[in-house]
Amino acid sequence: KAGVTQTPRYLIKTRGQQVTLSCSPISGHRSVSWYQQTPGQGLQFLFEYFSETQRNKGNFPGRFSGRQFSNSRSEMNVSTLELGDSALYLCASSLDGPGEQFFGPGTRLTVL
Amino acid sequence: DQQVKQNSPSLSVQEGRISILNCDYTNSMFDYFLWYKKYPAEGPTFLISISSIKDKNEDGRFTVFLNKSAKHLSLHIVPSQPGDSAVYFCAASARGKSSGDKLTFGTGTRLAVRP
Repeated sequence: KAGVTQTPRYLIKTRGQQVTLSCSPISGHRSVSWYQQTPGQGLQFLFEYFSETQRNKGNFPGRFSGRQFSNSRSEMNVSTLELGDSALYLCASSLDGPGEQFFGPGTRLTVL
Repeated sequence: DQQVKQNSPSLSVQEGRISILNCDYTNSMFDYFLWYKKYPAEGPTFLISISSIKDKNEDGRFTVFLNKSAKHLSLHIVPSQPGDSAVYFCAASARGKSSGDKLTFGTGTRLAVRP
């Protein structure tokens, strides 16, 4: 069974631009969560989608948004990029409900 | 407000000895706890979990202990191996609540196992 995949793996953008990251969950998994990892901050929860609906949201500004498609694939978008948005963005999937989540390799975003 | 805390940013252990990683939490609604291991340039990998109805869960060399009254959990690795060198994250969730599938992570502890 293929794992969680994320594209692209690396991305360089400049301040003010917007970016879209993609995540394909493990087949059969309906829950997709997004996390931001920065040095010293651990993994910060962004949001979770289940059956195309945002079920939970972390404490991030509205510049961070996401969506989920009918095949459970998910995208997250960050608009008006700031230097502080430079981070590793991780996607995780699970069957349903809280518990073990399977993570993708992440997308390393650098904002210049 | 850091609801899950890993106060030791790093730990160094001799190969073959025990590694003990600690984690504290403040939210009494948390009832499910997990440990993840992360290598550079990879996503976190699930290691072991424990429900709040238990105080111990064991899987091979890995054992997690939960002390609910102290809001403290620990991960024991015995014996430690050089391949265990990685960053370990503690995570918690409130199952059965309306919070959905949200994990709250600690800031991680970097474990180095010396040959």
